Amino acid sequence: KNQVEQSPQSLIILEGKNCTLQCNYTVSPFSNLRWYKQDTGRGPVSLTIMTFSENTKSNGRYTATLDADTKQSSLHITASQLSDSASYICVVSPNDYKLSFGAGTTVTVRA
Amino acid sequence: DGGITQSPKYLFRKEGQNVTLSCEQNLNHDAMYWYRQDPGQGLRLIYYSQIVNDFQKGDIAEGYSVSREKKESFPLTVTSAQKNPTAFYLCASSRGLASGANVLTFGAGSRLTVL
Repeated sequence: KNQVEQSPQSLIILEGKNCTLQCNYTVSPFSNLRWYKQDTGRGPVSLTIMTFSENTKSNGRYTATLDADTKQSSLHITASQLSDSASYICVVSPNDYKLSFGAGTTVTVRA
Repeated sequence: DGGITQSPKYLFRKEGQNVTLSCEQNLNHDAMYWYRQDPGQGLRLIYYSQIVNDFQKGDIAEGYSVSREKKESFPLTVTSAQKNPTAFYLCASSRGLASGANVLTFGAGSRLTVL
């Protein structure tokens, strides 16, 4: 069964600090890995998408890394802001339509 | 602005009633999807459609039905056969099937509560 495991389940950080979220997957075959940001009560919004040949991709203060050999990805948030408070979802795509979604990491940024 | 519109945002239903959630997109995307989101779980695929007048069951289609009569519209009906319908429902679309580089665009969601 294809699985995507995210850790930690939740975390609290102070404004201005950095944090790193983890995603481990067992999806095979593998086409790409995506990170989405979901604000409470809203739909997810795409942050990054990486194929197996890419090992890092940035979107502003968000940097995603991918190690396709160990099947691990991370999302690093730099200089966090209050607006970064959200759930971050790791999504792994095999080579068909059936995406595998992690349960998400809830980030709370406090002033 | 292009996007996906879901309605209603909140819906309350009595047990035994069918309800229909609306999803409209003006992105000219071919593929559309319905997902269900429950606390502590990843999104689960209910139905998806690649083209007009065609749709396929996802992982948890039991108790749900859809139609795709227009490219822009993909309504979801939650029937009385769905045993645990209280959830947050997300509609999404993509230019082609959600593989390769096709990014999913999501609507804002509809929260259904069964009383």
